Amino acid sequence: EAGVAQSPRYKIIEKRQSVAFWCNPISGHATLYWYQQILGQGPKLLIQFQNNGVVDDSQLPKDRFSAERLKGVDSTLKIQPAKLEDSAVYLCASSFGLAEDNEQFFGPGTRLTVL
Amino acid sequence: RKEVEQDPGPFNVPEGATVAFNCTYSNSASQSFFWYRQDCRKEPKLLMSVYSSGNEDGRFTAQLNRASQYISLLIRDSKLSDSATYLCVVNPRYKLIFGSGTRLLVRP
Repeated sequence: EAGVAQSPRYKIIEKRQSVAFWCNPISGHATLYWYQQILGQGPKLLIQFQNNGVVDDSQLPKDRFSAERLKGVDSTLKIQPAKLEDSAVYLCASSFGLAEDNEQFFGPGTRLTVL
Repeated sequence: RKEVEQDPGPFNVPEGATVAFNCTYSNSASQSFFWYRQDCRKEPKLLMSVYSSGNEDGRFTAQLNRASQYISLLIRDSKLSDSATYLCVVNPRYKLIFGSGTRLLVRP
C-alpha cells in the first residue's frame, strides 16, 4: 500500500517569499493533517481536514498560512510571506477517520529553510 | 506549562540494558495515549498505544496512570536499532498533542 506522499522534500527560500507544499494521503483516508515540526520539538498540528472540510485550524497562523483540500484528497499548504521562524519540517499525515484510535500515518515531510 | 512534557535526554545505554521513559500530560480530558518513534530525519511512526491496564509488545511495555496524568515506556534488552527519539502523544479530542521527545542512544 502506498504511503503518504509529499513534495517537495526540501525547499530553501528567502524571507518574505512564498512557498507551497503538496500532500497526497493514503487512498481512502478521509482525514488529513498538516503538522509543523521545529528542530528539537515534537510535531505541532496546524490544520486538520475531514474530507474537504476543516475540523481544526486553531493553531494555523492565518495571516500567512493557508491550506486547502478542494476535492477531499490532495492538499496544499502555503506560506506567504515566509518568516525566518517558519524554518521547520512540514509533515502531512492521514488517517481513515476521526476516531481516536485511528492510526495517523505520516509522510516523509518537507524540510523548509528560510534565509 | 507544556501540554505534554518529556525529559529530552539523551539516554545513553549499552546494548541489553533496560531503559524507561516517562511523560506527563496536563489535559485530564485526554482519551487516548500513544508512543511514537522518530528516527533521525524521518517521519514519526506509531510504536504502540497505551492502555490504562498497561500493555506489552515484545520488549516494550507501556503504562498509563490517569490519576497522576503520567505515561511510561519501558524498553527491555535494548538493541542498537532502538536508537531513536520517542515521542509521547496524547489525544484529547480528535487530534494528537506531541511531546518534544526523549532521545535514546544505544551503544555497542
